[in-house]
Amino acid sequence: KNQVEQSPQSLIILEGKNCTLQCNYTVSPFSNLRWYKQDTGRGPVSLTIMTFSENTKSNGRYTATLDADTKQSSLHITASQLSDSASYICVVSGYGGSQGNLIFGKGTKLSVKP
Amino acid sequence: KAGVTQTPRYLIKTRGQQVTLSCSPISGHRSVSWYQQTPGQGLQFLFEYFSETQRNKGNFPGRFSGRQFSNSRSEMNVSTLELGDSALYLCASILDYSSTDTQYFGPGTRLTVL
Repeated sequence: KNQVEQSPQSLIILEGKNCTLQCNYTVSPFSNLRWYKQDTGRGPVSLTIMTFSENTKSNGRYTATLDADTKQSSLHITASQLSDSASYICVVSGYGGSQGNLIFGKGTKLSVKP
Repeated sequence: KAGVTQTPRYLIKTRGQQVTLSCSPISGHRSVSWYQQTPGQGLQFLFEYFSETQRNKGNFPGRFSGRQFSNSRSEMNVSTLELGDSALYLCASILDYSSTDTQYFGPGTRLTVL
């Protein structure tokens, strides 16, 4: 069964600290892996998209890594800010253009405290 | 360029009623998908429309239906509302039918069923 598991479920860190969120998947065949940020009460926003051949991709203070062999990905946030408080969702896509092929994780809720 | 818009933003209905939600994708985007988001389940795929045709459907009962118009605007309808239908309903659009296209989400419609 195609699944995306994220850990931890929630995380509290102090402003300025770094953190790493984890994503394990069993989706096959695999096309790409995405990380989204969702602020409370708003729609998700795409942070990165990585295909099979990409190991790392950055978007400002956000760096995503992908190990397609072990089917694991991580999202590293550097020098956290209060505005980073949000849910971070890992999404894995199988082949084909349909958005129905996207498998969503349940997200990690990050709280950044001053 | 305007983002994805959804109307209304909030709705309160009672059991047994029906509801229609609207989504306007980013100009030029031809594919629209709908998701239900609840705290325990994360984002669940409802259906996807491309060029006025339903291309994919998630595992939801027939009470959930949708359509897409020639200008790519989409509506979803839920008939005979149940308490469990209370959720955030999100619409996302992508430019074309490609597995690496970026999804752009609207702000969502918060539906409360009493």
